[in-house]
Amino acid sequence: EVQLLESGGGLVQPGGSLRLSCAASGFTFRSYAMSWVRQAPGKGLEWVSGISGSGDSTYYADSVKGRFTISRDNSKDTLYLQMNSLRAEDTAVYYCAKDIVGVSYAYHGMDVWGQGTTVTVSS
Amino acid sequence: QSVLTQPPSVSAAPGQKVTISCSGSSSNIANNVVSWYQQVPGTAPKLLIYDNNKRPSGIPDRFSGSKSGTSATLGITGLQTGDEADYYCGTWESSLSTGRVFGGGTKLTVL
Repeated sequence: EVQLLESGGGLVQPGGSLRLSCAASGFTFRSYAMSWVRQAPGKGLEWVSGISGSGDSTYYADSVKGRFTISRDNSKDTLYLQMNSLRAEDTAVYYCAKDIVGVSYAYHGMDVWGQGTTVTVSS
Repeated sequence: QSVLTQPPSVSAAPGQKVTISCSGSSSNIANNVVSWYQQVPGTAPKLLIYDNNKRPSGIPDRFSGSKSGTSATLGITGLQTGDEADYYCGTWESSLSTGRVFGGGTKLTVL
């Protein structure tokens, strides 16, 4: 079964850091680009960051550029999101998602999503 | 505020057909493919349509997608109570803020 399982969320103070992980199983992880998408309470979906299958190319939303870093370890079938300088507006459920097509980050759609991990930034 | 505009809500009776629009511009929809997602509150999004009009395995043909110019449309026929959910369009944005983008979402109510 194709599956993504996020972990690492929690409560953190403004200015703090968290590292999210997304463990993949059931597919050839290195063959697919991956993304992080978040959803603030009561709000819509917001794309956060993405990475190609090889890990050579990374992409960020303006709202997180310079603060978040996406990476992957294809030997461990795991995607990461290092989040620094966290702000209250980063409070959200964070989903990892797999591209339906291909190793590059060209957009087609995201067909497998994790269950999400909640990040709360508050003092 | 998203660069992709969706109606906040739509409604229809069971068995009927509904369409959800997604309006963009030359920097997103016009030159990139569109996908559609269904999200039941409290659960992860589910891909319904990719590459404008393709359905992933397991998605019934009651769901269809189309694109024309700077707009895309999701169609759902034979509405079921289980279709009640939030629906999002998504594409690539090629302007100053490059990246993937989603519409604001449309709440579908099956009356």
